Amino acid sequence: DTAVSQTPKYLVTQMGNDKSIKCEQNLGHDTMYWYKQDSKKFLKIMFSYNNKELIINETVPNRFSPKSPDKAHLNLHINSLELGDSAVYFCASSQGGIGNQPQHFGDGTRLSIL
Amino acid sequence: GENVEQHPSTLSVQEGDSAVIKCTYSDSASNYFPWYKQELGKGPQLIIDIRSNVGEKKDQRIAVTLNKTAKHFSLHITETQPEDSAVYFCAPDNDMRFGAGTRLTVKP
Repeated sequence: DTAVSQTPKYLVTQMGNDKSIKCEQNLGHDTMYWYKQDSKKFLKIMFSYNNKELIINETVPNRFSPKSPDKAHLNLHINSLELGDSAVYFCASSQGGIGNQPQHFGDGTRLSIL
Repeated sequence: GENVEQHPSTLSVQEGDSAVIKCTYSDSASNYFPWYKQELGKGPQLIIDIRSNVGEKKDQRIAVTLNKTAKHFSLHITETQPEDSAVYFCAPDNDMRFGAGTRLTVKP
């Protein structure tokens, strides 16, 4: 069983389109995250949700809107895609609040904007 | 927020040699120190972690040492193997500020 699963694995689309990435975790964790990893491998936090409530939004454009229908799911919707959005997006989860528990990552969604 | 620096950024060793990666952090209140390994096409995975009440932890060929006074912790890999080739990240206190990563290459 995959602990943290993201779909799709690859996403190729035109500039200006709207797209969504889905994330589900079956670990029973109550905190979930979205990260962006650029071509130089820098991992940057975008959002964090705890029990469906947004707790971190790290200066991400309004075009990015996370949605957490329940604590096992955290989806990411992106409007009006731009060339600079091309990256690998990772979902992660952890038990308890942010801080001293390991994070479990999905295998990423590679987003390419044409 | 935490300032995190990781060194070196790239490391190439011969199979069987040891590798050491160092992570320096700024927040003296940090008390959880994990290391993650990211293989090609995969997400980062926790390989070892240590908490501030312990100075060293070992798991087979992998160890982590912590120096809270100097605010750094290090990943040690002994008897390296080609499958250890990956990018390694530190993330003190899982504060979501990951180090910039170290690309380790183990040459057969």
